[in-house]
Amino acid sequence: QVQLVESGGGVVQPGRSLRLSCAASGFGFRNYAMHWVRQAPGKGLEWVAVISYDGANEYYADSVKGRFSIFRDNSKDTLYLQMNSLRDEDTAVYFCARTKTIEALIDCFDFWGQGSLVTVSS
Amino acid sequence: QSVLTQPPSASGAPGQRVTMSCSGTTSNIGSNTVNWYQQFPGTAPKLLIYSDNQRPSGVPDRFSGSKSGTSASLAISGLQSEDDANYYCAAWDDSLNAVVFGGGTKLTVL
Repeated sequence: QVQLVESGGGVVQPGRSLRLSCAASGFGFRNYAMHWVRQAPGKGLEWVAVISYDGANEYYADSVKGRFSIFRDNSKDTLYLQMNSLRDEDTAVYFCARTKTIEALIDCFDFWGQGSLVTVSS
Repeated sequence: QSVLTQPPSASGAPGQRVTMSCSGTTSNIGSNTVNWYQQFPGTAPKLLIYSDNQRPSGVPDRFSGSKSGTSASLAISGLQSEDDANYYCAAWDDSLNAVVFGGGTKLTVL
């Protein structure tokens, strides 16, 4: 069955960096675009970034553009989110999510990970 | 401030029908399909409706979606206590080159 497992979250000071991972299994990871979505405590969902199935295309939310980088290793079935220059407002649970349709960049998210909490605090 | 606008709350008694709206613009809902997600506190969201009105397998037909112009709606008929959750709409925005979410509607089953 499809599984997405995030890791790498934790407490980090403002201005520092953190890298999240999302290990995929149960499907052909290399065939699907992948997204990161975050949720601040008590708040709604906020889309963060998307990467195409082959890693050739990426898009970012304005709130993280220039600070975050999404990338993937299809040989390891793993998605990453490199977060630099972290701010207090980046505190959130970060979910990775799969697009529903093979090779589609823009699509609904049919499978989600359980989330990884990132807390930015001094 | 979310790009898509949803009412913060909705409520209904068991067995009733409730609808919740999602308002956008020509660059998002007006140009692309709308998806709906259900989320319980402390858990990951679940896909409820995709492509405006399609249900993934396993989602009861009590849930339905519709779209007209730059607005979309989620309807739940035969309300059940387990429907008490948060509901989010989402769509791609051609101007922002981003997925945009609504702020979410908290549904309370009375």
